[in-house]
Amino acid sequence: EAEVAQSPRYKITEKSQAVAFWCDPISGHATLYWYRQILGQGPELLVQFQDESVVDDSQLPKDRFSAERLKGVDSTLKIQPAELGDSAMYLCASSLPDWSGYTFGSGTRLTVV
Amino acid sequence: QKEVEQNSGPLSVPEGAIASLNCTYSDRGSQSFFWYRQYSGKSPELIMSIYSNGDKEDGRFTAQLNKASQYVSLLIRDSQPSDSATYLCAVNSGNTPLVFGKGTRLSVIA
Repeated sequence: EAEVAQSPRYKITEKSQAVAFWCDPISGHATLYWYRQILGQGPELLVQFQDESVVDDSQLPKDRFSAERLKGVDSTLKIQPAELGDSAMYLCASSLPDWSGYTFGSGTRLTVV
Repeated sequence: QKEVEQNSGPLSVPEGAIASLNCTYSDRGSQSFFWYRQYSGKSPELIMSIYSNGDKEDGRFTAQLNKASQYVSLLIRDSQPSDSATYLCAVNSGNTPLVFGKGTRLSVIA
């Protein structure tokens, strides 16, 4: 079964350090999403890509977060500098244009200390 | 601001009973509705989608949609301890990203 690949699975970093997450969507899925899920909350959209273009990054804290999908395949989400409040699960998902629901990767659990 | 509301729970049901999970949404233009199951420490897993008013059944799961009332629900029949998880309701309209509720924690007691 096709999967969305994410790495690392867990990341512990000190505040003010830089951290990066990687995602490889299901082959053929042109749409890729990064969501953040704080413990006890639902996932919240950070950024949406269609191929290599950003479609929606209105909720991305651009002073510290950046995201790219240079060749329209895999994607990287970066935080610099990390803050304590960034501790959360970072989820990558991809979908087909028919909007039949997203497939999520296993996520990256970030802890900022 | 598009909102999806769920009771956070926990909802406790005995093994074998029917679990009923509810969700309301604010955007009348919403067209697609999804239920995800999320085990503790894991990522969400899609279990049901529904697009038109009425019921949709898949095994022990039934999704119900009432667009006039802006209400979607998930019924789990013959609940099992393995169904214990957080259930996330998600909604979108057209090609907009999914908006998720905060989830309802379900606990099935053996």
